[in-house]
Amino acid sequence: GAVVSQHPSRVICKSGTSVKIECRSLDFQATTMFWYRQFPKQSLMLMATSNEGSKATYEQGVEKDKFLINHASLTLSTLTVTSAHPEDSSFYICSARDVQGGMNTEAFFGQGTRLTVV
Amino acid sequence: GQNIDQPTEMTATEGAIVQINCTYQTSGFNGLFWYQQHAGEAPTFLSYNVLDGLEEKGRFSSFLSRSKGYSYLLLKELQMKDSASYLCAVNDYKLSFGAGTTVTVRA
Repeated sequence: GAVVSQHPSRVICKSGTSVKIECRSLDFQATTMFWYRQFPKQSLMLMATSNEGSKATYEQGVEKDKFLINHASLTLSTLTVTSAHPEDSSFYICSARDVQGGMNTEAFFGQGTRLTVV
Repeated sequence: GQNIDQPTEMTATEGAIVQINCTYQTSGFNGLFWYQQHAGEAPTFLSYNVLDGLEEKGRFSSFLSRSKGYSYLLLKELQMKDSASYLCAVNDYKLSFGAGTTVTVRA
């Protein structure tokens, strides 16, 4: 199956600093990437939909100025958590769909990033 | 809005069969996915149903009834490695996930 690479897998940062998470589709082109957040023993909550070359669409309740998303190419999307606080500590996962597959193709997930803000 | 319900936990014995139900009420629908997720890892794809009926893939099968807003994932010949969380996700361009069902397989 297709491969989505997410980096870093784990990061610890100090409160007030910013952290960038990268999501790359390695063997297919993804016009759309999705960013999720997952708290322990809870499901994946969609944060935003990232479209190549345009602004991301954020879900209700997600602060767009805090979670900056950039999708500069068909293979790369980045999520930057700005001025991180301990409550931002979570598991962040990206997913991507093959641009040629249409709506009914499966979404491939990155490995996830465990963010801990101290 | 999206409302997707799954049982929280299920326990079964190695070699047995377990059925995980998922009911949904969503504003849009273009199929339903099932994913497996081990703790601390990303979800991996198991199955996809867009039409009513049963889809079989080895030990895993998935069923969909669109009129009832209902799906199930059937795991047969359970193995210890099947202990994981199972997520159903409704496809409407973006995926909306249920809370997940934690399956524990006991020897």
